[in-house]
Amino acid sequence: DGGITQSPKYLFRKEGQNVTLSCEQNLNHDAMYWYRQDPGQGLRLIYYSQIVNDFQKGDIAEGYSVSREKKESFPLTVTSAQKNPTAFYLCASSIQEGRQPQHFGDGTRLSIL
Amino acid sequence: SQQGEEDPQALSIQEGENATMNCSYKTSINNLQWYRQNSGRGLVHLILIRSNEREKHSGRLRVTLDTSKKSSSLLITASRAADTASYFCATPHSGSARQLTFGSGTQLTVLP
Repeated sequence: DGGITQSPKYLFRKEGQNVTLSCEQNLNHDAMYWYRQDPGQGLRLIYYSQIVNDFQKGDIAEGYSVSREKKESFPLTVTSAQKNPTAFYLCASSIQEGRQPQHFGDGTRLSIL
Repeated sequence: SQQGEEDPQALSIQEGENATMNCSYKTSINNLQWYRQNSGRGLVHLILIRSNEREKHSGRLRVTLDTSKKSSSLLITASRAADTASYFCATPHSGSARQLTFGSGTQLTVLP
């Protein structure tokens, strides 16, 4: 059963702490994306990766970091530099370029303690 | 940068009625996609329409695209309570075709 798995579903961050959100896909997709969604808003792109060991900043990359060491995995770290991290984070993947339909995970909700 | 914007922001209808949502965008595109998001879940791709297509159907969904007006509409016929969700249009990013830009969505509520 192919798909995208995000974990954890809920995450709490303390002041000054870095936290990492996991995203794994078994769809054999080359491209992967991280989005942030605030209440009642659309999605904003944080980072995307078209291929292993390569990634590009999206519209709101400040305070976030990513890695792409394996095709299947694209973890997102929310650093202490991100002063307003409370949001719903969505990971997606697609066969290749942005024109292809994107497949989404079920998200991680991050809150501040 | 926001490319697509949905209208209305919220829509409430009775089960069995049709629901129409609109999306306007700013720059030329080669395709437009519609997605659905149930509360607290990820987005699900519904339909992709290319710039050389005027209308596309998928089950109870009908999507139109008017490139001269830079707008698209999503029609859901004979709506059901299970159609209650947020609906988003997505267009290629104005700066990079490798990215998608999502609108802020239409929240559809279908009352039983």
